[in-house]
Amino acid sequence: AQSVTQLDSQVPVFEEAPVELRCNYSSSVSVYLFWYVQYPNQGLQLLLKYLSGSTLVKGINGFEAEFNKSQTSFHLRKPSVHISDTAEYFCAVSDRSSGSARQLTFGSGTQLTVLP
Amino acid sequence: SQTIHQWPATLVQPVGSPLSLECTVEGTSNPNLYWYRQAAGRGLQLLFYSVGIGQISSEVPQNLSASRPQDRQFILSSKKLLLSDSGFYLCAWAGDPYGYTFGSGTRLTVV
Repeated sequence: AQSVTQLDSQVPVFEEAPVELRCNYSSSVSVYLFWYVQYPNQGLQLLLKYLSGSTLVKGINGFEAEFNKSQTSFHLRKPSVHISDTAEYFCAVSDRSSGSARQLTFGSGTQLTVLP
Repeated sequence: SQTIHQWPATLVQPVGSPLSLECTVEGTSNPNLYWYRQAAGRGLQLLFYSVGIGQISSEVPQNLSASRPQDRQFILSSKKLLLSDSGFYLCAWAGDPYGYTFGSGTRLTVV
C-alpha cells in the first residue's frame, strides 16, 4: 500500500515569486508519481508525471518536479507564478506493478493562492 | 480521440430524494473507471472502482452505490440522499498512460 503526504494545505505566494509545493510518499514497491491541478469547480488535470529516466520532470504551464528516491519526495516547483496558477494541486502515486488494475493514491491537496 | 463525459454539472436535491450521476467514456474499450468525492476542505476520497461490466468494488461503506451496465458507462446512485452526501463528485478512467483522466465533475448540494 502507498500513502502520500502533502505537507502544506495552503500556500500563499505573491505573483512572479517562486513556489515549491511539497510531496512525500511512502511505498514498499516502486511507484509512478503524478501532479494534478484542479481549478474551481473543475476536474483534475494532469500537470506532469514521473515514470522513469531523468528525475527532473517538466510539465505544462511552466511547472517542474524532481523525483528524489532517497527522500521519497516529488516536490513541485515553478520559478515565477501567475495569478492564473491559483488552484488546488494534488500529488499522487501508483504501484508500478499493478498493471491494468492500477489505482492512484492521492495526497490531501495544497491550495496555491497567488496574490497580486 | 478518447474523452470522458460526466453530468450533470450541478445538482441540488432534497434530503431523502434519489440520486443518479452518469459517467461515460468514448474512444476506448474495457476501461477501468472510478468515482471520487471531494467534501469541502478535504482531499479526494475513492468511492468505487470498476474493471469491467457488472464488476464494482466499494472502498467506503456509505449511502451510495455504483453500477456498470455497459462497458463505457459508470453510474453513481443513491436511494435516499443525506446532507452528508453533499460534495463534488468526480469520475475518472485509467486512460492516461499510467495515470487517470478525470471528468469535469458534479457539484451536488443536498438541502
